[in-house]
Amino acid sequence: AQTVTQSQPEMSVQEAETVTLSCTYDTSESNYYLFWYKQPPSRQMILVIRQEAYKQQNATENRFSVNFQKAAKSFSLKISDSQLGDTAMYFCAFMSTNAGNMLTFGGGTRLMVKP
Amino acid sequence: DSGVTQTPKHLITATGQRVTLRCSPRSGDLSVYWYQQSLDQGLQFLIQYYNGEERAKGNILERFSAQQFPDLHSELNLSSLELGDSALYFCASSVDGIGGQPQHFGDGTRLSIL
Repeated sequence: AQTVTQSQPEMSVQEAETVTLSCTYDTSESNYYLFWYKQPPSRQMILVIRQEAYKQQNATENRFSVNFQKAAKSFSLKISDSQLGDTAMYFCAFMSTNAGNMLTFGGGTRLMVKP
Repeated sequence: DSGVTQTPKHLITATGQRVTLRCSPRSGDLSVYWYQQSLDQGLQFLIQYYNGEERAKGNILERFSAQQFPDLHSELNLSSLELGDSALYFCASSVDGIGGQPQHFGDGTRLSIL
């Protein structure tokens, strides 16, 4: 079974600065997908970014980018020019292509953006 | 707005009772997923349906069951409720359940067991 670990339970960053959230995973599969989801205080789960394991190029979505290191099984999220609206829980998630398409989530990182 | 609709938003009930949570997927999505978010277990996958058929099962208790109807909406039935079933239950949907499709989540149903 796959496991996803987020080693930073809480982080804070000043508005307009850059912050990196860490995620590691364990799998024996070679083809899979990785996601970051954001859960603001409103509790919605919002897709932030998606990475395909067979693509070496790191995914980017506006101020959000990832550093995907397949050999190290690492998938970190970088948020540039942090905004107050980025305050949320961030979940890293793994999707196998073998047994359904369920998401396996990490424990989450609570990010606070300070003015 | 993700396009996934979950009802009700809140549900308060007592131990031993039975409840039904409802989910309408995004227009055009054939696959529905149910997740449970609790303080002690985090976010856990429960079950997936694709076009009316069960596709995958996770850590779903025997007291829980689900189905997907011909109009593609899904229901999660929770019975013999226990205090530990208090959680936020999410429904998500994706286009076709093929690997890699992003899942879009509803706003969740907050279930409180008294």
